[in-house]
Amino acid sequence: SAVISQKPSRDICQRGTSLTIQCQVDSQVTMMFWYRQQPGQSLTLIATANQGSEATYESGFVIDKFPISRPNLTFSTLTVSNMSPEDSSIYLCSAVTGDGNYGYTFGSGTRLTVV
Amino acid sequence: DQQVKQNSPSLSVQEGRISILNCDYTNSMFDYFLWYKKYPAEGPTFLISISSIKDKNEDGRFTVFLNKSAKHLSLHIVPSQPGDSAVYFCAALSGYALNFGKGTSLLVTP
Repeated sequence: SAVISQKPSRDICQRGTSLTIQCQVDSQVTMMFWYRQQPGQSLTLIATANQGSEATYESGFVIDKFPISRPNLTFSTLTVSNMSPEDSSIYLCSAVTGDGNYGYTFGSGTRLTVV
Repeated sequence: DQQVKQNSPSLSVQEGRISILNCDYTNSMFDYFLWYKKYPAEGPTFLISISSIKDKNEDGRFTVFLNKSAKHLSLHIVPSQPGDSAVYFCAALSGYALNFGKGTSLLVTP
């Protein structure tokens, strides 16, 4: 099955700074997704990233805060901008990798702490 | 608004017994449901799924039951093993997006 490499695995950042999270898929995929899991909460979809078009953001998430890049069919980045302690969460990328069962594969996640 | 709900944050079961994890949903348009298992410091991994046209799907020790009229599904693990200790997420598919519950932390004790 497909493998998604996500980095960094964790980081501690100062408020007001930005962090870029990278996801690399070992095969070409059309759709990639970015999720956030706040403490004690479910995974919440931030945006869908398709290659060659702008990301589609869910309600409550905006491009200025969470800019996404999708330069090719195997790679995507999510930037958490102007961070505050409320941004402390686990961020996960996912892709439809066509492995069956709708083929959703997840990266290992980035645990972000903003101080 | 939480469309997928897992009302039990945790569950403890003795090894060899049955584990039953429950999930409720509110959106009748969901037509595909998945269960994911997550270990600490790892991403969720797919476990088992069920289409809304079925009421049961079985894969080894794992069985998922769907009750559409009640908008309820459950995951049965029989027999439970210590290696099953993890957080289990229920998810429902809407378009291409997965809607997740908050998860249930399962602990299987020897």
